[in-house]
Amino acid sequence: KNQVEQSPQSLIILEGKNCTLQCNYTVSPFSNLRWYKQDTGRGPVSLTIMTFSENTKSNGRYTATLDADTKQSSLHITASQLSDSASYICVVSARAGKLIFGQGTTLQVKP
Amino acid sequence: EPEVTQTPSHQVTQMGQEVILRCVPISNHLYFYWYRQILGQKVEFLVSFYNNEISEKSEIFDDQFSVERPDGSNFTLKIRSTKLEDSAMYFCASSEVWQGFYEQYFGPGTRLTVT
Repeated sequence: KNQVEQSPQSLIILEGKNCTLQCNYTVSPFSNLRWYKQDTGRGPVSLTIMTFSENTKSNGRYTATLDADTKQSSLHITASQLSDSASYICVVSARAGKLIFGQGTTLQVKP
Repeated sequence: EPEVTQTPSHQVTQMGQEVILRCVPISNHLYFYWYRQILGQKVEFLVSFYNNEISEKSEIFDDQFSVERPDGSNFTLKIRSTKLEDSAMYFCASSEVWQGFYEQYFGPGTRLTVT
């Protein structure tokens, strides 16, 4: 069964600190892996998208890594800001048009 | 910057009633999608739509659901006879074909409450 699991479920950090979110997946055939940011009550917004041949991709203070052999990905947030408080969702595409979502990690950044 | 829009933002309906959720995808996009997110749960894929046809649908998307592109801009999701368990946030998304990727842009969602 295609699944995407994320950890931790929730995380609280102080403003300015770094954090890393984890994603494990069992999706086949694998097409690409995405990280989305979802603010409460809003639609997901794409942060990064990676194929199996890419092992790292950055978008500002967000850096995603992918290990296609172990089927793991991480999202590293550097120098966190209060506006980073949101749910971060790992999403794997098995084939074009169908995305399989993780349950998300809820990040709270405190001043 | 172009964006996906959805109306209404919140819809309250009684069980058994029909509802239509509306979406305006990004204008040059070719693929359209509906997702739902029950409160506190994962986002779930419902259906994808391309060239005026359903290209893929999930087990959730049963005969109570239908999608339509009635004109050149709108994309709608109809639930024929709503149930309490249909209460969720419904997200529309759209994408353009690009190098095998299908970067999907999500709308802000419609919160459906079935009473």
